[in-house]
Amino acid sequence: QKEVEQNSGPLSVPEGAIASLNCTYSDRVSQSFFWYRQYSGKSPELIMSIYSNGDKEDGRFTAQLNKASQYVSLLIRDSQPSDSATYLCAVGFSGGYQKVTFGIGTKLQVIP
Amino acid sequence: GAVVSQHPSWVICKSGTSVKIECRSLDFQATTMFWYRQFPKQSLMLMATSNEGSKATYEQGVEKDKFLINHASLTLSTLTVTSAHPEDSSFYICSARDAGGARSYGYTFGSGTRLTVV
Repeated sequence: QKEVEQNSGPLSVPEGAIASLNCTYSDRVSQSFFWYRQYSGKSPELIMSIYSNGDKEDGRFTAQLNKASQYVSLLIRDSQPSDSATYLCAVGFSGGYQKVTFGIGTKLQVIP
Repeated sequence: GAVVSQHPSWVICKSGTSVKIECRSLDFQATTMFWYRQFPKQSLMLMATSNEGSKATYEQGVEKDKFLINHASLTLSTLTVTSAHPEDSSFYICSARDAGGARSYGYTFGSGTRLTVV
């Protein structure tokens, strides 16, 4: 059983701070990693994808991957109230149309 | 980026009736689509993998005779909830990936269908 673990939160951070979201996964052959943002009642939208060890930055978002530790994280700099949402970590497997497994999601609350 | 259109966005039906949900890939061909269900405050749970031109692959515990999936073309997959009951009330979401696009596109989700069975 492939598992993706996240703390459900809520994680509360003040506006302007850095929000750090963490995710661990159980299957060592996992190849692709995604962070999705989901607002209440809406479908998920892709924030970041990462495939190699290290950091990947896109605007205020940085994804970090450590395959040896089976750990992936998402940092949100200068957090805004509009960032308040549930962040889903998703892990997929090599190539093609392999299905992804989602974590339960971490609810982030950015306090003005 | 890839766009997946899902309809209807919400539906209310009577217990015992059937409901069809459609997902279309608008600007790419989706050989494979995934169908998820999400109950309140829970994560997305994969129900089945829909393959164009062949039978869908269902996850353990999902009744294939109750959740009928048809993927007749490269741009359309449908999920039919047959003989719906109140416990089927949930948020159903489809997902696909544009194999011809950048890998960074990941999997694109439809807008979801909120099903309420009364």
